[in-house]
Parts: sequence; C-alpha cells; structure tokens
Amino acid sequence: DAGVTQSPTHLIKTRGQQVTLRCSPKSGHDTVSWYQQALGQGPQFIFQYYEEEERQRGNFPDRFSGHQFPNYSSELNVNALLLGDSALYLCASSLPPSYEQYFGPGTRLTVT
Amino acid sequence: AQSVTQPDIHITVSEGASLELRCNYSYGATPYLFWYVQSPGQGLQLLLKYFSGDTLVQGIKGFEAEFKRSQSSFNLRKPSVHWSDAAEYFCAVGGRAGGTSYGKLTFGQGTILTVHP
Repeated sequence: DAGVTQSPTHLIKTRGQQVTLRCSPKSGHDTVSWYQQALGQGPQFIFQYYEEEERQRGNFPDRFSGHQFPNYSSELNVNALLLGDSALYLCASSLPPSYEQYFGPGTRLTVT
Repeated sequence: AQSVTQPDIHITVSEGASLELRCNYSYGATPYLFWYVQSPGQGLQLLLKYFSGDTLVQGIKGFEAEFKRSQSSFNLRKPSVHWSDAAEYFCAVGGRAGGTSYGKLTFGQGTILTVHP
C-alpha cells in the first residue's frame, strides 16, 4: 500500500517565479492538507482540500493556491516567489471520519 | 485560536534513560492531540494520538502520552531511550472543522532529542 507521495523532492527557484508542487494521497484517502515547514519551525497549515474544494485555509496570502483532482491528488501553486517561501512543503492525507493525517516526505523548495 | 507550546527546544539524554517531552496546548473545545516524529529531511510519522477515552495512550516504538485536561498538557514519555530515537518531536492539536471532515493541525515548535551512547 503506497503512502503519501510528493514530487519533486527538491526544487530551486528564483524570486518572482512560480512553482507547482504535487501530492498523491494514501490509497483510499480523499482529503489532502498542505503545510509549510520553515527551517527550525513546526509545520504551519496552508489549506485543506476535500471533494475538489478548499475547505479551510490558514494564514497564507493568495499567492498560495491549490487544486484537487477527481482522483484526490493535489497541487500546491505558489506565485511571485519570495526568499521567505524557502521551506519544506508537506502534504498530508486523511479519510474522514478519521482524524489521522498521514504525511508525505515533503518537497524542499529553495528560493534564491 | 488553537496553539501548542513545547517548552524544551533541545533535550539530551543518555541511551537507556527515561524521557519526557512536554507539550501544552490551548484549544476551545475537546482537543484531538497528536505526537509526530521527524528525522532530518524527512516527513512526519505519527507516534500516537488522543481523541477521547483513556487519558493514557500508547503509541509505536514504546512511546506513551498522558492527556491532562486540568493542566492542558499532553506529555510524551518513554521509559528507556534508544539511540535510534534521536530525532525531532512535534506535538499537534487539531479539531473538527465541521461537516464530515476535520480541521487543521496546529503544531508546536518541536523538541530536538539527542541521545548519548
């Protein structure tokens, strides 16, 4: 049973560029959440997708957007990248009514 | 607003010694509480969770945690630490967002555990 997978593993972008990160949830899971983990910090909630809609959003600007596809996979898009966007981006999946979230290995984004 | 405080940024213990990592939370209703472990450059692995019922919960790798509502705490313990337990540990609080799904997880800053041989 495949767990949560994320691609790419690492990514280097320049300020002002746009980036798309991808996530495939654990088999059978239909809810995907995205988190940003800056160096030395705990993960911070960006948003959650369920039934292809954004259900809840954290305190992140509109430069951060997402999408969920009919197969439950998800994308995180970040526009107009800033140096401060450099972080590990984690995807987590779950299947309600369970409250457990299963995390992927993350995508390390470096903005130069 | 929900929040989590992990007072200890870094803890060092000797292999075989006991361990307690502290976690205090703030949440307006009955919390759902989690402990995750993260090895360098890796994702998060769930150690254990508390949803309801028995306040002492057992997890993987010999870890346990006790929910104390009166102290708003959910401390993680292990009776005998192994060198392979060296990692960063995160406490998180979550709750129902409404409908059929659940809400976001709010994480603490993490505690780095170093194990000396």
